Amino acid sequence: AQSVAQPEDQVNVAEGNPLTVKCTYSVSGNPYLFWYVQYPNRGLQFLLKYITGDNLVKGSYGFEAEFNKSQTSFHLKKPSALVSDSALYFCAVRDRNAGNMLTFGGGTRLMVKP
Amino acid sequence: GAVVSQHPSWVICKSGTSVKIECRSLDFQATTMFWYRQFPKQSLMLMATSNEGSKATYEQGVEKDKFLINHASLTLSTLTVTSAHPEDSSFYICSAPRGNRRDQPQHFGDGTRLSIL
Repeated sequence: AQSVAQPEDQVNVAEGNPLTVKCTYSVSGNPYLFWYVQYPNRGLQFLLKYITGDNLVKGSYGFEAEFNKSQTSFHLKKPSALVSDSALYFCAVRDRNAGNMLTFGGGTRLMVKP
Repeated sequence: GAVVSQHPSWVICKSGTSVKIECRSLDFQATTMFWYRQFPKQSLMLMATSNEGSKATYEQGVEKDKFLINHASLTLSTLTVTSAHPEDSSFYICSAPRGNRRDQPQHFGDGTRLSIL
């Protein structure tokens, strides 16, 4: 079985400050890890993924995430937050040896204040 | 641009009505599509996996007769909420993986907000 935990329901950060949205995962094998963003009344948009190789992954809109195997974490980061980054963020995992099913975390609402 | 199109975006209808939601992959073929349900301020709950040319695979607790899924072609899956009631009101989202590689992200439709009066 695979699972994802996003321990924070909401993260508040001031515009221009760095942001971190936390994610930890559990899979039986090696993971594929994804971050998605959801704006109100919209579907999910893909931000970035970790497959293999470099632990620091860069994605869309200046976001990056760091894969840490020992801590089974994949935290999302951005050096300087924008008000327009305010949205709902989902971490997701897929076991490499399983099917196409994604397991999502509970989501973290990011609020960036001017 | 969008690679998965979901229609309609909003539906408001009376209790007892059946509602069909379409999910189309626009520039790729999808042998598998996924249907999710999302409650306010909550995560996505996988309802079923739609398989082209065969029966859908439903998650535990999802009523097959209530949520009918048809994957008639490699670019279209439909979800029909039969005899909808107010408790079926929710945000429904479909997704499709491009290709069979597990390292590829899924592409999501923009969702359908269903409101049953």
